[in-house]
Amino acid sequence: DVKVTQSSRYLVKRTGEKVFLECVQDMDHENMFWYRQDPGLGLRLIYFSYDVKMKEKGDIPEGYSVSREKKERFSLILESASTNQTSMYLCASTIFGPKQGVVQETQYFGPGTRLLVL
Amino acid sequence: AQSVTQLDSQVPVFEEAPVELRCNYSSSVSVYLFWYVQYPNQGLQLLLKYLSGSTLVKGINGFEAEFNKSQTSFHLRKPSVHISDTAEYFCAVSRAGGYQKVTFGTGTKLQVIP
Repeated sequence: DVKVTQSSRYLVKRTGEKVFLECVQDMDHENMFWYRQDPGLGLRLIYFSYDVKMKEKGDIPEGYSVSREKKERFSLILESASTNQTSMYLCASTIFGPKQGVVQETQYFGPGTRLLVL
Repeated sequence: AQSVTQLDSQVPVFEEAPVELRCNYSSSVSVYLFWYVQYPNQGLQLLLKYLSGSTLVKGINGFEAEFNKSQTSFHLRKPSVHISDTAEYFCAVSRAGGYQKVTFGTGTKLQVIP
């Protein structure tokens, strides 16, 4: 069964702290994504990665960075957390991509991490 | 770039009544369309998707959606809702072919009233 896990369901951090959110998928997917979800705004793409050590900015990358050292793991880093980064963070993965030759499209999501920055 | 609009932020409906959740998209090229559902305190899961072929797409839990290219719509329907359908529903669009970024709508909360 397809599985995407996120390291924490709930996190409380203080302004200025460095925050790491971890995501692991067990499906051997090439592509991984980080979104934030806010009421009334839906999901907004922060960063995505289509291969190990590759990353691309999404729509709202400011204040975030990512790391993909292994295929199954994609980390989101808040370099210096701020209160406006309080949100639900969702990780997703998918198999589709130019290297695969097969278009699958479906994104598989983790359960989310609800982050509160005080 | 593509975009998607979900005009209704909340839709209350009585149990066993039919429901339609509206989704309109904008794109200058061919698209793939998706509906995802998010139950409370969970991540999103795919409900159904349109890639090509028949414009009427059937998904899980009795939902279906119809792709209307002329009206650039992909409305989600269910003939009879259940309490367990209470959730938030997201419409999403991507450019057709190969890898493309997916753009999500702002979501519609379906509240099924007993």
